[in-house]
Amino acid sequence: EVQLVESGGGLVKPGGSLRLSCAVSEFTISGYSMNWVRQAPGKGLEWVSSISSSLTYIYYADSVKGRFTISRDNAKNSLYLQMNSLRAEDTAVYFCASGNYGDYSPNFWGQGALVTVSS
Amino acid sequence: QSALTQPASVSGSPGQSITISCTGTSSDVGGYNYVSWYQQHPGKAPKLMIYDVSYRPSGVSNRFSGSKSGTTASLTISGLQADDEADYYCSSYTRSSTWVFGGGTKLTVL
Repeated sequence: EVQLVESGGGLVKPGGSLRLSCAVSEFTISGYSMNWVRQAPGKGLEWVSSISSSLTYIYYADSVKGRFTISRDNAKNSLYLQMNSLRAEDTAVYFCASGNYGDYSPNFWGQGALVTVSS
Repeated sequence: QSALTQPASVSGSPGQSITISCTGTSSDVGGYNYVSWYQQHPGKAPKLMIYDVSYRPSGVSNRFSGSKSGTTASLTISGLQADDEADYYCSSYTRSSTWVFGGGTKLTVL
């Protein structure tokens, strides 16, 4: 069974930093795009960032551009999200997602990591 | 990156059919056949139900179907079942090489 397991979430003060990790098992990520999607408490889904299989293409939502950095380590079958200059509005559950039905429709999702930005 | 427009809620009785709309622009829904639909139960991760407008992933019931006309995509669920009660989100690839989600629709099975 494919598993995506996020870690690294927690409570951080405004202006602080966190690094999320996503460890993937039973699915080799090297041939697929990887993505981060977040969901603020009681709100809808928001796409955050995507990285192509070859690392050639990296995209960010305007809301996080310049503050967040996505990366991947195909050898470790893992995805990362470095989050700097965090704001209260970044508070959300962050999902790691990927899949084999194309770059824009992930069918494998993690359970999510909660990031809370508060003083 | 404005969110796609979905109705906040829809409802139907068991056995009935419902349709959820997802309206975008020519820069997203209308410009690409990369519309997906996700089902999310409370406290759970989203589940892919439809990809590339109208294709079902392996294991998804054929009661779920998708379509698109112009800048509006639609998800139809036939033969409503109690377990279909969930939040549903559409998403689309955009001209900026980003994704955009809809605001979500809460489906209530009466």
